[in-house]
Amino acid sequence: KNEVEQSPQNLTAQEGEFITINCSYSVGISALHWLQQHPGGGIVSLFMLSSGKKKHGRLIATINIQEKHSSLHITASHPRDSAVYICAVHSPLKYSGGGADGLTFGKGTHLIIQP
Amino acid sequence: DAGITQSPRHKVTETGTPVTLRCHQTENHRYMYWYRQDPGHGLRLIHYSYGVKDTDKGEVSDGYSVSRSKTEDFLLTLESATSSQTSVYFCAISESRPGSSYEQYFGPGTRLTVT
Repeated sequence: KNEVEQSPQNLTAQEGEFITINCSYSVGISALHWLQQHPGGGIVSLFMLSSGKKKHGRLIATINIQEKHSSLHITASHPRDSAVYICAVHSPLKYSGGGADGLTFGKGTHLIIQP
Repeated sequence: DAGITQSPRHKVTETGTPVTLRCHQTENHRYMYWYRQDPGHGLRLIHYSYGVKDTDKGEVSDGYSVSRSKTEDFLLTLESATSSQTSVYFCAISESRPGSSYEQYFGPGTRLTVT
């Protein structure tokens, strides 16, 4: 079973700071997802990546397949970025018997950006 | 936003009673998933479906059953609810088969409390 570890578990920063959240996993994957969960519970997909780097607005996600590691960066952080950020990996053949399978999720990083 | 609804959104029930949660999608996606989210754990897969009447177990399936009689509906049933099943339940859908490039879209969640 793939093990997904996120760090830090909790992060409090001041508005404007550069934020980095890390995710490491134990076995090879076909894709890695970064998700955002706001207070109130809704989960939104931010990125899906299998190599390299992706950027969307102030968010940047990178992945190093050889090192089994991904980072999510937030530039010019804002209080509205306060949320739980979740890393999830897809590992083919995770379940026996074929068919669709799901994702393995990290426990999440609780980010608070103070004004 | 993907058209995914969950009902009920909140439910309090007593130990030993049956409970059914409903996930409804308007996207005509083939794959549907039920996850539970608990403090100290990442999202964990309960059951998934890869088509009408085609379902399979996930990581934490004990005490749960599912049914999918129509593409748009995926039902999760707790035959006899226990306090350990107090959790937030998320439904998700995806269009493509996991293992290829795909994204999962999440419903708003159902908060279930078993007293």
